[in-house]
Amino acid sequence: QSALTQPASVSGSPGQSIIISCTGSSSDIGNYNLVSWYQQYPDKAPELIIYEVNKRPSGVSDRFSGSRSGNTASLTISWLQAEDEADYYCCAYAGSSTSVLFGGGTKVTVL
Amino acid sequence: EVQLVESGGGLVQPGRSLRLSCVASGFTFDDYAMHWVRQAPGKGLEWVSGINWSSGTIAYGDSVKGRFTISRDNAKNSLYLEMTRLRTDDTALYYCAKDRRIAVSGLFDSWGQGTLVTVSS
Repeated sequence: QSALTQPASVSGSPGQSIIISCTGSSSDIGNYNLVSWYQQYPDKAPELIIYEVNKRPSGVSDRFSGSRSGNTASLTISWLQAEDEADYYCCAYAGSSTSVLFGGGTKVTVL
Repeated sequence: EVQLVESGGGLVQPGRSLRLSCVASGFTFDDYAMHWVRQAPGKGLEWVSGINWSSGTIAYGDSVKGRFTISRDNAKNSLYLEMTRLRTDDTALYYCAKDRRIAVSGLFDSWGQGTLVTVSS
């Protein structure tokens, strides 16, 4: 089971947009729509912000959007705000034998 | 409101066993798959194990396969993780997480606050 690949850090200024990539394979991201993204603040539990590639749970800001191209999923944060400074993890289903993979996490810094 | 409350963590010596529990409320427990996800200090998230609504489908991450056993009791709205042959690299905060689906899908829409497991001599 290889973890999904995310950049360790991404930064941007308030009001800008940033994109976090998550690279997997044709066995996980490229094969199932079961891709999700989580936001985690220090010493807090993660929270779901995107599921099934591009759907937002109720209550999540529409500044967060998800997409996929081939074996790579992406999370876009538009109109970056100070409160977006957190760690972000992608996650993908990889079939019944491997099941679930997480990315290594991306620390977002608002400059 | 969905609530997931983990318990059972603590300090344990390498090679010993520990059993974690998670009590769920605020939703129909047997309508959803459930999972354990862990996070070592200062590290990222790692999926540990998942179980579907009926316990008919169970899966484990490679690092715990053969040592950990997940189970659930729908009558008690409870999820369990039996951990044996513990190693120092099992040290982590263990989260109980609810799946959005009845089958294992990896879409975790609710999380507990976690229970800390420390494996050390």
